[in-house]
Amino acid sequence: DTEVTQTPKHLVMGMTNKKSLKCEQHMGHRAMYWYKQKAKKPPELMFVYSYEKLSINESVPSRFSPECPNSSLLNLHLHALQPEDSALYLCASSHDKRTTTDTQYFGPGTRLTVL
Amino acid sequence: DQQVKQNSPSLRVQEGRISILNCDYTNSMFDYFLWYKKYPAEGPTFLISISSIKDKNEDGRFTVFLNKSAKHLSLHIVPSQPGDSAVYFCAAGGSGGGADGLTFGKGTHLIIQP
Repeated sequence: DTEVTQTPKHLVMGMTNKKSLKCEQHMGHRAMYWYKQKAKKPPELMFVYSYEKLSINESVPSRFSPECPNSSLLNLHLHALQPEDSALYLCASSHDKRTTTDTQYFGPGTRLTVL
Repeated sequence: DQQVKQNSPSLRVQEGRISILNCDYTNSMFDYFLWYKKYPAEGPTFLISISSIKDKNEDGRFTVFLNKSAKHLSLHIVPSQPGDSAVYFCAAGGSGGGADGLTFGKGTHLIIQP
């Protein structure tokens, strides 16, 4: 089973709203990731969690706040977003192996629209 | 500066023939490479990967070749099927081992024609 689930599938929010994106995996993976993908562009890394600790933050604005409550869950809290933040937000997970290829498995994404 | 490049935005191949998708990279610190298939508004689906210590990896109809000296890899799909029509992303991971963000190319839209 290589399933990563994400909720909600679609989200529309105003610039003053606070919302959260959720991601879950039950593959025993110890690394989880958030990527952002704009239309006709490749996915771009936002955050990496390794063993529930934030290990990489790619200079993402503070209006995006990640949280990893346990090894199976990853949240992305959103506050005061801008219309240009509208995109497909992808969650991924991997074993966090240190000796070989560490394949990342992606969820279906959350399509976010900021009005 | 693009560290992973897919120079063909689209590729048309006849059903049953071989599809060859190319990818170049500039960062010599990358030590593993992956190919993902993606449909619109869906997450990328992992296809196949290769470590930098190998030059070929095969899985069913999919074969990835790595030429480390040329910093070039390619994905061969043979025979091509209509269900292969999608955007294919080449991605690279660094040498730190373990959790490491992937760097993606811009993708190649493969269209399989009957």
